[in-house]
Amino acid sequence: IAGITQAPTSQILAAGRRMTLRCTQDMRHNAMYWYRQDLGLGLRLIHYSNTAGTTGKGEVPDGYSVSRANTDDFPLTLASAVPSQTSVYFCASSVAGESNEQFFGPGTRLTVL
Amino acid sequence: GQNIDQPTEMTATEGAIVQINCTYQTSGFNGLFWYQQHAGEAPTFLSYNVLDGLEEKGRFSSFLSRSKGYSYLLLKELQMKDSASYLCAVKNSNYQLIWGAGTKLIIKP
Repeated sequence: IAGITQAPTSQILAAGRRMTLRCTQDMRHNAMYWYRQDLGLGLRLIHYSNTAGTTGKGEVPDGYSVSRANTDDFPLTLASAVPSQTSVYFCASSVAGESNEQFFGPGTRLTVL
Repeated sequence: GQNIDQPTEMTATEGAIVQINCTYQTSGFNGLFWYQQHAGEAPTFLSYNVLDGLEEKGRFSSFLSRSKGYSYLLLKELQMKDSASYLCAVKNSNYQLIWGAGTKLIIKP
C-alpha cells in the first residue's frame, strides 16, 4: 500500500451495535487523526495521536474511542452506535511540525439506523 | 468560541479568475491551510501560510493577513477540473486544525 487506507469504504449499522473503523498508513508519520465530516459543517476532530502509545481528545470525542499500538494503525471504535454518528469519517496522518500538511484517507461512509 | 467563515458556494467561468475568502477567529494561530476536496473524495493539500503576504504556487495563490484574521485563495485560468470544495483551516494554539465548512466552487463553460 502507498499512503493511507481506510476500511470499510461504507457501512450500514444498526443502532446499539459496536463498530471499528480501520486506518493504516505506510508513510511512517508519527501523528494521526480521526475526523467526521457532516453536510454544512467543517471537518471536526474526534481523536488524535501525536505518536505511537499516546492519544488525545479532539472537539467531538464522546461515543468514540481510539488506540495507537504502533505507528501504522489507528482504529476508531464506536462502542454503541447512535443515529447521530451517521457521517463520513476521515483518517489523516502527518509528520509532526507546524507547517506539515495532513494526508487523508479515502473516508468511510457510515450510516446508523 | 472558534470559527472559520467562508462563502458556501461560488460560481465562475472557465478561464477566469476567482477569489475565495476565509475569515477566522481562533484561540491562537499557528498557520493557515487551504485544501481542495472533490465530491466524494478526501481533502488534498493546496497551500500553507504562516506569515503575512502572498504565496504563489502555479495557478493557485494564497494570501494571509494575521492582523485582520483573513485569508484568500486565488485561482487563475480556471479549468473544469477545479470544480470542487475548497476548505480553509487554521492551526490553533493547541496545534489542532479548525476547519471551515468549505466553499463549493462551480465552474461553468
